[in-house]
Amino acid sequence: EPEVTQTPSHQVTQMGQEVILRCVPISNHLYFYWYRQILGQKVEFLVSFYNNEISEKSEIFDDQFSVERPDGSNFTLKIRSTKLEDSAMYFCAIPRTSGADEQFFGPGTRLTVL
Amino acid sequence: EDQVTQSPEALRLQEGESSSLNCSYTVSGLRGLFWYRQDPGKGPEFLFTLYSAGEEKEKERLKATLTKKESFLHITAPKPEDSATYLCAVQAGDSWGKLQFGAGTQVVVTP
Repeated sequence: EPEVTQTPSHQVTQMGQEVILRCVPISNHLYFYWYRQILGQKVEFLVSFYNNEISEKSEIFDDQFSVERPDGSNFTLKIRSTKLEDSAMYFCAIPRTSGADEQFFGPGTRLTVL
Repeated sequence: EDQVTQSPEALRLQEGESSSLNCSYTVSGLRGLFWYRQDPGKGPEFLFTLYSAGEEKEKERLKATLTKKESFLHITAPKPEDSATYLCAVQAGDSWGKLQFGAGTQVVVTP
């Protein structure tokens, strides 16, 4: 089972500030996914990222969001100007093997926007 | 529009009392249906993938089945450590990995 870590585990920020959430797989992966879960609600898809390009994104993933693979290993999700409604758990996920359907989720980053 | 509905929302079981969770779905060309377990404050933990009607998968006290419109997760003789929220998700055939989740069933197993 592939492993992935996320940092930070908890981020508190002021509304309007930029945040960067990081995801680091133990082994090298080309596929990455980001999801979010608002407290008490469903897990929601944000974006899928393959070989340094966005392959699919949801309507939640607007111009305030961006994803990058800055150094070939870890992946980042950036929110440019946070809003109160961005408060949620953010999960990254990777497939079992490249192109496999099963996705394995990281422990998540809890983002709190004040 | 793709939709995933899970029932019941919550389930309280005595230890050893078997039960089933339901996941009904509508999706354009199902690629796969997935079951996850989620503990409070944690990420979803992968359990099963089902691809075609009639398929079954088992793991310890859990068994997942799939029809053309729904999936069931059967919990046989549950233990308190089976307490968690169980999530169902579908992936459409034209998707690049997007999982669409249901709201989950919160299961509490009491000794």
